[in-house]
Amino acid sequence: NAGVTQTPKFQVLKTGQSMTLQCAQDMNHEYMSWYRQDPGMGLRLIHYSVGAGITDQGEVPNGYNVSRSTTEDFPLRLLSAAPSQTSVYFCASRWNTGELFFGEGSRLTVL
Amino acid sequence: LAKTTQPISMDSYEGQEVNITCSHNNIATNDYITWYQQFPSQGPRFIIQGYKTKVTNEVASLFIPADRKSSTLSLPRVSLSDTAVYYCLVGSFGSSNTGKLIFGQGTTLQVKP
Repeated sequence: NAGVTQTPKFQVLKTGQSMTLQCAQDMNHEYMSWYRQDPGMGLRLIHYSVGAGITDQGEVPNGYNVSRSTTEDFPLRLLSAAPSQTSVYFCASRWNTGELFFGEGSRLTVL
Repeated sequence: LAKTTQPISMDSYEGQEVNITCSHNNIATNDYITWYQQFPSQGPRFIIQGYKTKVTNEVASLFIPADRKSSTLSLPRVSLSDTAVYYCLVGSFGSSNTGKLIFGQGTTLQVKP
């Protein structure tokens, strides 16, 4: 069991570039979500999904897109990166027991 | 959505018991209370979860009063390695209602020698 795997771990983008943060879990969890964490701050929910084909917005969805075509994968797309999106991004998943399992994070810098 | 409020920071010394309280005044009937620990440069990890009264596991205890409007995480005999940020999360689970799980600001616990 690899748990929740995020790639890449580090990424530097220029303003206006697009990219996709990948998240995969091998625990057959229905629920998956993306959070961002700015330096010294708490976690803010970007998007979440309660199952394949279903996604919804969190607290800070603007500038991000998601899709959930399979149970295992939940990619996060930045359409046109901005410096304000410099952050650490965490993917998390859970089954119905409630415990969230987090990935190791993806550190994004937008210049 | 149940909003949570925690102290921003706490200090303690090695060997002491630490109690961190979380306020969640608008908790819903089917909400559970879960606590997470986060070290720098890592994702949060689960500590303990409860619905009412008291829950204990090998690392912590969780006290929830009858009105469930607050909860207290108790860490017995802390060590330097317990220095971390602690988050209280309130939310329901079940296939039809596992929606927005909003973290509060968390409590930064500093354990001193």
